[in-house]
Parts: sequence; structure tokens; C-alpha cells
Amino acid sequence: SYELTQPPSVSVSPGQTARITCSGDALPKQYAYWYQQQPGQAPVLLIFKDIQRPSGIPERFSGSTSGTTVTLTISGVQAEDEGDYYCQTADSSATWVFGGGTKLTVL
Amino acid sequence: EVQLLESGGGLVQPGGSLRLSCAASGFTFSDFLMHWVRQAPGKGLVWVSRINTNGGSTTYADSVKGRFTISRDNAKNTVYLQMNSLRVEETGIYYCARNDETKKRGLDYWGRGTLVTVSS
Repeated sequence: SYELTQPPSVSVSPGQTARITCSGDALPKQYAYWYQQQPGQAPVLLIFKDIQRPSGIPERFSGSTSGTTVTLTISGVQAEDEGDYYCQTADSSATWVFGGGTKLTVL
Repeated sequence: EVQLLESGGGLVQPGGSLRLSCAASGFTFSDFLMHWVRQAPGKGLVWVSRINTNGGSTTYADSVKGRFTISRDNAKNTVYLQMNSLRVEETGIYYCARNDETKKRGLDYWGRGTLVTVSS
């Protein structure tokens, strides 16, 4: 099995830019996905295929990739963006894995 | 409107069994792979299992192989997770989610989850 590594927490002031990284050896070969989970709610898909945004997701959410690291960037962070963020990928045998999650705090 | 509704959770003793169901509506169920994801209280998401569109291919996390079985009934628009030999550490909310693998869109819709408590 393989792992995805995320920082446990990221803090940012409203209006600033938050960057959440996710590292893993599988990432150069497999797509990455990002999910947001707010307290008491089910996760919501934010980014698919590394950089694409589903309809209805605000443009301030974007994804990027470089080697074994993918990054979720939230531009102009708002108070409502506070929550947990998870990256996810799958290996060639269709086994999926989530990162450990990053708690975003809006100061 | 896409809806996924999990059921079947509850309290079970260690070593016991439970069968979860996830009823889908609002989309062509047989076009989508289905997944189960667990979340222990206060912890992160853990992928558990997935099944392909016709039920002919299944994949499991190493930790549940040989104990859990995922299945689906496309006539009933329902996916199941049979969980045997349950462990205390498998307590948590179990979510089902759909996946359009051909378009690589990830888990684009999730249910609200059903709570499984494994305790004596």
C-alpha cells in the first residue's frame, strides 16, 4: 500500500491565500482529487484530475501538481472555507487512498 | 437530484457482523462505480472498498480483505457492504459515494453516512 502525506493544519487570515500540500510517490502517475469536509457534513469534491473544478465549486479553489506533490490553493480565503481538506488518489490496481487530512483554520 | 441514502448501521459487538445498504436515486446507477469510505470519530477519511458497474470487479483496503464484501443490485439501485469479524477500531461513520471512472471525476456525490459502533 502507499501513503499520501498532508500537513495536519494550516492557518490563514481572511482574504489571504491558503496552500495545502499532499505528497506521495503515486502522484506523478495517478490523478489527484481534493475534498472539503465541514463539521457534521459529508465530504464534497473540490478538484478532480489534479486541476479540474466541478461545476458549482468557486473559482477561488484551484489545484496544481509538481512531481510527487499536489497542491490545493484557496485564494481570498473566506470564513466559510474553514474545515478539513483531504487529498485522494488511486493506484493501478484500483486501490484508493486518502491523505490524513488538513484542518484549515481561518484566523 | 442525485441522492445516496445509507442504512444498516448500529451497535455490534467485536467479532460480530453488520450489513450496510446504500440506496441510490436521481441518476443511472448502473453507469457508476460505487465506493464505501469510513470515518472514525474525530479522524480522517479511510477508503474501504469499491465495486465496478456490473459487480464483476471489487477492490478492498488491505485491512478489510477477507472480512468485508461489497456487492450491488442494479435492479434495486442499491450497493451493500457486508462486514464480518468487526473490530473496535472500525467504529465510525460509513459513507457510500459514486464514481464515474471513465471520466475520472472522483467521488462526486456522497451520502450522509450511517454510524457503526463496534463495542462490547
